[in-house]
Formats: sequence, structure tokens, C-alpha cells
Amino acid sequence: RKEVEQDPGPFNVPEGATVAFNCTYSNSASQSFFWYRQDCRKEPKLLMSVYSSGNEDGSFTAQLNRASQYISLLIRDSKLSDSATYLCVVNNRGGLTFGSGTQLTVLP
Amino acid sequence: DAGVTQSPTHLIKTRGQQVTLRCSPKSGHDTVSWYQQALGQGPQFIFQYYEEEERQRGNFPDRFSGHQFPNYSSELNVNALLLGDSALYLCASSQPTQPGLGNSYEQYFGPGTRLTVT
Repeated sequence: RKEVEQDPGPFNVPEGATVAFNCTYSNSASQSFFWYRQDCRKEPKLLMSVYSSGNEDGSFTAQLNRASQYISLLIRDSKLSDSATYLCVVNNRGGLTFGSGTQLTVLP
Repeated sequence: DAGVTQSPTHLIKTRGQQVTLRCSPKSGHDTVSWYQQALGQGPQFIFQYYEEEERQRGNFPDRFSGHQFPNYSSELNVNALLLGDSALYLCASSQPTQPGLGNSYEQYFGPGTRLTVT
């Protein structure tokens, strides 16, 4: 079983749609959690850290459920510029463990 | 404020050769981590350097080694290259651990070095 598992995707949605990504992790001792986005042939960029209390950044909302070892990302009112691969990431005292990523394409 | 920089951007090597990749962290960051990203996969953690020592290592063979310099910059060395080493090599830096606050472990990536082994 992979340490971090994500929806396989790809997701193709119309502009303005709401889209949700889900992720589970296997190491209950994981300490910090993130969503990164990666554009084609570019480096991953930190989108947001994820906290148990939930957090928002513009049209992005992230949630962590430690009991279920589950992380989610919600994108509301999606824009063409949101098209990218979204990577679920956990950290266990040092190196980051990435999921395989979910590709999102927002269509005009 | 310069972000994480890496050199070279692209590299082509032959099987059996050795390669050195370089990374300069974001200003104010003292910890450097290296990752390997194969096509269609998420990045895989190679190792992390802090205070010029390897602090943590992922599941990579000893052919992969590194170094951190007093100015926090870092090198990744790969010996006896295999075709399977072809990948994007990413460097990430993070802020110092803050006493009492711990480390948020937010890591910021450089643009990567694309290595092709033929």
C-alpha cells in the first residue's frame, strides 16, 4: 500500500465548477500536511498547509481528519488557471512523501 | 529575494558515468532536501541536509550521495548512472527550526535539473 494515496483522476471540469480532491495517508505519526500544485514540466509549488481546524485561501479549502487519516482539497468557482496536477503531501520529521497527483483540467 | 536555484537545467549522461547537481537554497533557509521525480509520478525523497550533515534519507542506494556547504548550498552526486536514473531532480529548502515552535516543514522547490541517461 502506498504511503499517500490520491484519487487517480484526471478531472475535467467546466469553468466555475466546484471540484474536490481526496487523499489518505498510512503513517499515523505524520506531523504536517500540504497540498502542492505542479504545472507541466515545472516544479511543485506549495498551495497551502492543511490543519485539523480546516483552512481557506481564496477559493481553496483544505481539511484534515487525523482520526481517518484523510486530507481533502476543495476548489470553488474553478478558473482556467487552476488547471494543474494537485499533489497531496505529508511530512514525517523531514522528507516529504508525495501522492502520485491528480490532474485537473478546467475547460472553457 | 531569490528563490531556490539549481544548476544545470538539463544534463545528458551515459550509463556508468557520474553526475553532480547543485542547489542554492532560498535566502534565510538552512535545510536542503533532494527529490527524484520520474515521469508521471510524484517526487520521491532522496535525503535531507542540515548543518552540513545528512539528517534523513529515503529509500535510495548508496550511489546517491550529497553534501552541504557552510553557506547552506548543496550538491547531489550520483555514481554509476543507470538508465532508470533518468528523471527530474528537485531541490527544496526550508526555514530553520524555531525553538519552541518546531518546524512547519514547508518546503520550497527549485526548478529542477532534468537528467537523461543514455
